[in-house]
Amino acid sequence: EPEVTQTPSHQVTQMGQEVILRCVPISNHLYFYWYRQILGQKVEFLVSFYNNEISEKSEIFDDQFSVERPDGSNFTLKIRSTKLEDSAMYFCASSPSAGGLYEQYFGPGTRLTVT
Amino acid sequence: AQSVSQHNHHVILSEAASLELGCNYSYGGTVNLFWYVQYPGQHLQLLLKYFSGDPLVKGIKGFEAEFIKSKFSFNLRKPSVQWSDTAEYFCAVTPKAAGNKLTFGGGTRVLVKP
Repeated sequence: EPEVTQTPSHQVTQMGQEVILRCVPISNHLYFYWYRQILGQKVEFLVSFYNNEISEKSEIFDDQFSVERPDGSNFTLKIRSTKLEDSAMYFCASSPSAGGLYEQYFGPGTRLTVT
Repeated sequence: AQSVSQHNHHVILSEAASLELGCNYSYGGTVNLFWYVQYPGQHLQLLLKYFSGDPLVKGIKGFEAEFIKSKFSFNLRKPSVQWSDTAEYFCAVTPKAAGNKLTFGGGTRVLVKP
């Protein structure tokens, strides 16, 4: 069964450094998402991406964040200058289409630790 | 904006016991509803979903959920749990009208003792 994959599984970085989290969505899916879960808190939506542009983003997704689909298979989340409060589990997801009718398939997550 | 609340943070029960996890949402329009499960060390997986029609939906592994529109609820049930049901369970919604972002509840950790 096709799966969403994410690398790395755990990333440790120093405050102020740039990080790139990588995801490979399911190959025939068209919509891509990033969510995050700070320890002890809810899973929160960050951004959705379709047709090479952001279709929706949350208030969390400020100028420090960017997403890209650089090569038709990878989907990346970049945090330009990490802060301590960016420490969280970051989940990538993909779906065949949108409108809430289709299941979003989640990857295993990347645990980001900012020191 | 929509919000989702799950009533219990932790549930501990024995094998063969019945399970019911509460989920309530707040949103001014109609929604699609989901229950996701995360087994230890694994990623979020869809248990079941409700879009329309029969408000009692059946999912994988013997789970079912009932949508009660008047109560804005979508409670998850399983008549007889197994040790392998130990996991964290998340209720989530998306608005039908626009957008496809999932809004999650806080999750309920379920521990089934053998």
